[in-house]
Amino acid sequence: DTGVSQDPRHKITKRGQNVTFRCDPISEHNRLYWYRQTLGQGPEFLTYFQNEAQLEKSRLLSDRFSAERPKGSFSTLEIQRTEQGDSAMYLCASSHLGGSSNEQFFGPGTRLTVL
Amino acid sequence: KQEVTQIPAALSVPEGENLVLNCSFTDSAIYNLQWFRQDPGKGLTSLLLIQSSQREQTSGRLNASLDKSSGRSTLYIAASQPGDSATYLCAVNSGGSNYKLTFGKGTLLTVNP
Repeated sequence: DTGVSQDPRHKITKRGQNVTFRCDPISEHNRLYWYRQTLGQGPEFLTYFQNEAQLEKSRLLSDRFSAERPKGSFSTLEIQRTEQGDSAMYLCASSHLGGSSNEQFFGPGTRLTVL
Repeated sequence: KQEVTQIPAALSVPEGENLVLNCSFTDSAIYNLQWFRQDPGKGLTSLLLIQSSQREQTSGRLNASLDKSSGRSTLYIAASQPGDSATYLCAVNSGGSNYKLTFGKGTLLTVNP
């Protein structure tokens, strides 16, 4: 499968716990994005990597959130001290720098439920 | 700040009908526009991408148009089928330094057999 993959697909945690999600982009894609989608809303941009460099973070990304992309391959998104308001679908997308369209391809998402 | 609006929020049609979904955006300085399909609890599937220099794109029964100057795009679905039932999302790429997407809230389409 050459698409974007995310793990886990579902995560249930208790308030105050830390969680970490993983995204594996399409292999030749050097741009990687994280978005968050709550019920009934469209996805909202969280952060963006070009290779291993994190180039932009949204105001939505509080200091409890951290993202990494070591070696410019897979990426992880960690949420510390989770709150009920963090419950959402976390979507990862990748695209190719140098492509004419920067078309973004999305993974299946990680559904987070904070109890 | 780019804002994207999709109308209607929900649409129910009988099988076989042709239909149009609407998307409007506030800043016409866009790089491209993508239409996505999302099934319940799933990720996003890219349907069509229109570059800012293009007027329309077609894929099978789908046709997307773009009028950048008026800040509008439409997704036309011909001969709708029950399998087309899903949420359709419009997303604007404003380019710049990060090429992030700004999404509308989507249109929930139900095609009844």
